[in-house]
Amino acid sequence: AQSVTQLDSQVPVFEEAPVELRCNYSSSVSVYLFWYVQYPNQGLQLLLKYLSGSTLVKGINGFEAEFNKSQTSFHLRKPSVHISDTAEYFCALSSGTYKYIFGTGTRLKVLA
Amino acid sequence: ETGVTQTPRHLVMGMTNKKSLKCEQHLGHNAMYWYKQSAKKPLELMFVYNFKEQTENNSVPSRFSPECPNSSHLFLHLHTLQPEDSALYLCASSQRSAPGGYNEQFFGPGTRLTVL
Repeated sequence: AQSVTQLDSQVPVFEEAPVELRCNYSSSVSVYLFWYVQYPNQGLQLLLKYLSGSTLVKGINGFEAEFNKSQTSFHLRKPSVHISDTAEYFCALSSGTYKYIFGTGTRLKVLA
Repeated sequence: ETGVTQTPRHLVMGMTNKKSLKCEQHLGHNAMYWYKQSAKKPLELMFVYNFKEQTENNSVPSRFSPECPNSSHLFLHLHTLQPEDSALYLCASSQRSAPGGYNEQFFGPGTRLTVL
């Protein structure tokens, strides 16, 4: 069975500090990996995706993520966060079908 | 209108009411999805339609009834709901590719449903 684990339900961080949101996955087959962001009262927006190739993936709003097959991880990072990055972040995987498996989400709270 | 739109954005209903949620996608996609988002739980896939045909019903109670009249519109008909059905209901769409391919899903803003 496939699964996605986001261990941190909430991550508080001061403005302009770096942040890492952790995502681990489990799958017996190759997967595509995604990070989505959900701002208050909005739907999910794709931040970045790993399909194949380079393990370092750059997304929108200065975010990047690194695919680590040996550690089955896909952690999201940003070197300097802004107040506007306050949102909920979801990691998800797909094994090439229409089914996405989502994590429970990490609420990023950026403090002034 | 662009992307995926959902109406209404907020809905409060009693347990005996009948209401419908509407989703429309303006992306030319041929697959549409209903998800349920509850606090502290992963998104739950409820229904999937490919080319207007239902291809997935994830053990959803019959008080939720989907309808897909064409590839651009998706409805979720609600009747005799329970308070535990209160949640954010998200619609998404994608292109339907061959197995092993990549289907990016585009999400609407959701309908916040409260069942009293």
